[in-house]
Amino acid sequence: SQQGEEDPQALSIQEGENATMNCSYKTSINNLQWYRQNSGRGLVHLILIRSNEREKHSGRLRVTLDTSKKSSSLLITASRAADTASYFCATPPDTGRRALTFGSGTRLQVQP
Amino acid sequence: DAGVTQSPTHLIKTRGQQVTLRCSPKSGHDTVSWYQQALGQGPQFIFQYYEEEERQRGNFPDRFSGHQFPNYSSELNVNALLLGDSALYLCASSQGDTQYFGPGTRLTVL
Repeated sequence: SQQGEEDPQALSIQEGENATMNCSYKTSINNLQWYRQNSGRGLVHLILIRSNEREKHSGRLRVTLDTSKKSSSLLITASRAADTASYFCATPPDTGRRALTFGSGTRLQVQP
Repeated sequence: DAGVTQSPTHLIKTRGQQVTLRCSPKSGHDTVSWYQQALGQGPQFIFQYYEEEERQRGNFPDRFSGHQFPNYSSELNVNALLLGDSALYLCASSQGDTQYFGPGTRLTVL
């Protein structure tokens, strides 16, 4: 079964608007990672947030983590058409092994 | 510095055949993981190699096997192909917690 589940499954916005995607997970983690995938190609790592962090920024990206609710959110501000992609959250278990468990992703469409 | 590379880009096979996919990790990375991604789904972990040994395995049958070479490159082998094996196969390399993915190999089984 999936460890992380993204919500919503699909999101369509206009250029310049903000996009928020959510991720819920089931077991304890030591970090949570967000990835982007364009049109069935390889995944691009966006940001990693550790379990002792609550918020992290990278350019137009803001990630929050609430370990008490086992949830994370990814905010993309001032979206661009080039942000159109699928976004996945991924979690390794807190046992130290590095295999990632992915959700089904959020498909973001940014209309120019 | 080259990122993770995979070959071939695309592959078409028929049921029952065998296939080998290849991956070269990012420079300095000693760990390689393989994932299968069906259309419209997130990647599913197949297995991970470190120091030429399989360190962890996901819920995939023994038809899926792999190898890691002394230069850390890796191969994924799938025997007795089924139609359901059609997917994008992704390789990722890592040194720490972050995994860096290659562009993938699109396998179609007819």
